Amino acid sequence: EVQLLESGGGLVQPGGSLRLSCAASGFTFSNYAMSWVRQAPGKGLEWVSAIVNGGANTFYTDSVKGRFTISSDNSKNTLYLQLNSLRVEDTALYYCAKANGRATSRNLDYWGQGTLVTVSS
Amino acid sequence: QSALTQPASVSGSPGQSITISCTGTSGDVGAYDFVSWYQQHPDKAPKLMIYDVRYRPSGVSNRFSGSKSGNTASLTISGLQAEDEADYYCASYTSSSTVVFGGGTKLTVL
Repeated sequence: EVQLLESGGGLVQPGGSLRLSCAASGFTFSNYAMSWVRQAPGKGLEWVSAIVNGGANTFYTDSVKGRFTISSDNSKNTLYLQLNSLRVEDTALYYCAKANGRATSRNLDYWGQGTLVTVSS
Repeated sequence: QSALTQPASVSGSPGQSITISCTGTSGDVGAYDFVSWYQQHPDKAPKLMIYDVRYRPSGVSNRFSGSKSGNTASLTISGLQAEDEADYYCASYTSSSTVVFGGGTKLTVL
């Protein structure tokens, strides 16, 4: 059974940093692209970042480029998202999601339950 | 990376069919047959319902179907059931190798 378990969320001041983790199990982690998707309270889904081809390539939405970094540790079956220079508008529930292929971040077939990031002074 | 355009809400009676549209550009929806649809019930994680425009993952009812024409994709739900009431999001892979979601559509089953 595929399982994705996010952790690392919390309350942080504007300008602060957090590191989110997503522990994966039930599939061969290195064989699939992984994404982070966020959802602000009461709002829609927003794709944030993806790592594909076993970690060889990474992609970001424009609003987080230069501030967020996605990475993975295939030996630990864990996906990470380093969040720096956080802004109030980054407040959201952050989901980890698995793609159904290795080379692109489309078709997110399994999702975690999310970890909440709140940016506030 | 502008969000894809979806209607804010649609509604239908049990047994009826509804269609949700998803309009993008030649750089996303129109670029590839890489549109997916997600269902999200309140306080739940999204669920993949359709991938690559028209394919259903195992376990998804055949009442759900997808199509695409040009820069607009569509999700059709036939034989509406109460359990279909949820938010629906389209998403498209883009020519920049990113993903863009639609703004979401709230489906109400009357």
